[in-house]
Amino acid sequence: RKEVEQDPGPFNVPEGATVAFNCTYSNSASQSFFWYRQDCRKEPKLLMSVYSSGNEDGRFTAQLNRASQYISLLIRDSKLSDSATYLCVVNGGSARQLTFGSGTQLTVLP
Amino acid sequence: DTGVSQDPRHKITKRGQNVTFRCDPISEHNRLYWYRQTLGQGPEFLTYFQNEAQLEKSRLLSDRFSAERPKGSFSTLEIQRTEQGDSAMYLCASSSIRDRGRQETQYFGPGTRLLVL
Repeated sequence: RKEVEQDPGPFNVPEGATVAFNCTYSNSASQSFFWYRQDCRKEPKLLMSVYSSGNEDGRFTAQLNRASQYISLLIRDSKLSDSATYLCVVNGGSARQLTFGSGTQLTVLP
Repeated sequence: DTGVSQDPRHKITKRGQNVTFRCDPISEHNRLYWYRQTLGQGPEFLTYFQNEAQLEKSRLLSDRFSAERPKGSFSTLEIQRTEQGDSAMYLCASSSIRDRGRQETQYFGPGTRLLVL
């Protein structure tokens, strides 16, 4: 079983749609959680950190459920520029390295 | 540009050759990480440095791989006797532990794309 699991998609949605991505992680000692965005053939870039209380950044909302070991990302009012792969990322226990999911591919269609 | 830089951006080599990649982290970031990413997968951790000390290595890092960060600034990753399975994007990231109370954020460089023929 992978440490971080995501639905690979692809998700194809029209502009303006709301789309949600889910992710589960296996290491209960994980302490930090992130969503990174990766455009084709580019490096991952931090989209947002995820906090236990949930957090919002503009059209993006992230939620964390530690009991279920579940992370989510909600994108409202999708834009064409949101098309990318979204990586669920966990930094856990005594390890400093990030553990990435395989990513969920999103395409926003005009 | 004060972000993480990597050189070269692309490398094509023949099986059996040695290759070396360089990473320059964000200035004053004391932690530096190497990851490898293959098509359709997320990046996988290889190794990390705090200042010049290599503190952790993944089991993915076979004895053909070696990484250094001699002065606690830039780092090099060398692959000896390359194999076709080494073809991947090699990503470097840096972070700082100075932002106490906040989650440590890793910033990635553009990567070095390696193709072993």
